[in-house]
Amino acid sequence: GENVEQHPSTLSVQEGDSAVIKCTYSDSASNYFPWYKQELGKGPQLIIDIRSNVGEKKDQRIAVTLNKTAKHFSLHITETQPEDSAVYFCAASPLINYGQNFVFGPGTRLSVLP
Amino acid sequence: GAVVSQHPSWVICKSGTSVKIECRSLDFQATTMFWYRQFPKQSLMLMATSNEGSKATYEQGVEKDKFLINHASLTLSTLTVTSAHPEDSSFYICSAPSSGPLGQYFGPGTRLTVT
Repeated sequence: GENVEQHPSTLSVQEGDSAVIKCTYSDSASNYFPWYKQELGKGPQLIIDIRSNVGEKKDQRIAVTLNKTAKHFSLHITETQPEDSAVYFCAASPLINYGQNFVFGPGTRLSVLP
Repeated sequence: GAVVSQHPSWVICKSGTSVKIECRSLDFQATTMFWYRQFPKQSLMLMATSNEGSKATYEQGVEKDKFLINHASLTLSTLTVTSAHPEDSSFYICSAPSSGPLGQYFGPGTRLTVT
């Protein structure tokens, strides 16, 4: 089955700097890669996703890149703000079908220092 | 976007009792819902897939007789932790896929503490 690794496990950056979180996956059949942000005591919220037919996707300060050959994808947050502090999870899914579950990475705890 | 709610948001119960957690899709129908368990500082671990009108599918190592799942309608799934023990204390999160082919919307989670 699919296995998703995520690095780093913790990341501290100064406000205004960029943050990069990297994930690797094992199943070459995976073709959908969402990123979730989880604040303390809350459920995960989708922040950006990418499909395998796209190499990069950007939404304001957040971008995701995908290297399907190397089986890794990364989350980039620019101009970080204190409210970006949270745990971020990457995930991979082998099928784009209704009801398909995701395999999640172990998470990265991001701290943005004012 | 789609909204998924959970009730209660937190619950404290005594060891040996049962606790029911509800998961509702508020503005869309979900024939499938997922139940996750998350221990402190850990990732989400899928427990089971809830299917409306049929039995739930449990992940390996999850006791189906302990974690009872009922998908009563297209907008409601319930997880009942039976004979709860302190080791069942965790953050339980449900999710439902959107009506489109992509996306999975998570509930806010339920923190269960068993004393």
